Amino acid sequence: GNSVTQMEGPVTLSEEAFLTINCTYTATGYPSLFWYVQYPGEGLQLLLKATKADDKGSNKGFEATYRKETTSFHLEKGSVQVSDSAVYFCALNNNNDMRFGAGTRLTVKP
Amino acid sequence: DGGITQSPKYLFRKEGQNVTLSCEQNLNHDAMYWYRQDPGQGLRLIYYSQIVNDFQKGDIAEGYSVSREKKESFPLTVTSAQKNPTAFYLCASSISLTTDTQYFGPGTRLTVL
Repeated sequence: GNSVTQMEGPVTLSEEAFLTINCTYTATGYPSLFWYVQYPGEGLQLLLKATKADDKGSNKGFEATYRKETTSFHLEKGSVQVSDSAVYFCALNNNNDMRFGAGTRLTVKP
Repeated sequence: DGGITQSPKYLFRKEGQNVTLSCEQNLNHDAMYWYRQDPGQGLRLIYYSQIVNDFQKGDIAEGYSVSREKKESFPLTVTSAQKNPTAFYLCASSISLTTDTQYFGPGTRLTVL
């Protein structure tokens, strides 16, 4: 079946540090891949997406590349800010089956 | 502004009572979804609807019911049969069932006392 595994948190970084949150997936065929962000007490916001192998999604300084050979979609940001503190969810959609990872909580300290 | 609204943001109910959570969208999306989020877990699909007057069970439909009488609205009822209803409930929509991107509302936190 379809599934997503992402690195466990929490992740705590200092401002301007480099961020990587690992995400791997299991799926047959060619799923679309997503990163969503959830700020405290709010719903999920779409951060970025990629729909085919080698595509790079990017938004607000965050990037993730669809790697079919390693079935991965790792989230990266070169310099995090305090305002990036949130829970990040990796997700896939494969033939209308949407699956989410457990979420990774990121805290950025000044 | 187009978007998805959920109300109320916080809801408290006594055990054994049914409760209905509201979800409205003005995005003209055909498909709508309800998810449940528990601490430290990903989202789990409760029900989804691809069109008015049609809905399907998701992975954890037991103890829940939905209706889709209007395109804009997809209310979720948490019944007394749901054994552990305290959770954060998220509504989402997409242009169609086959469109890969879902957009989420702000959520309703339900606490059963």
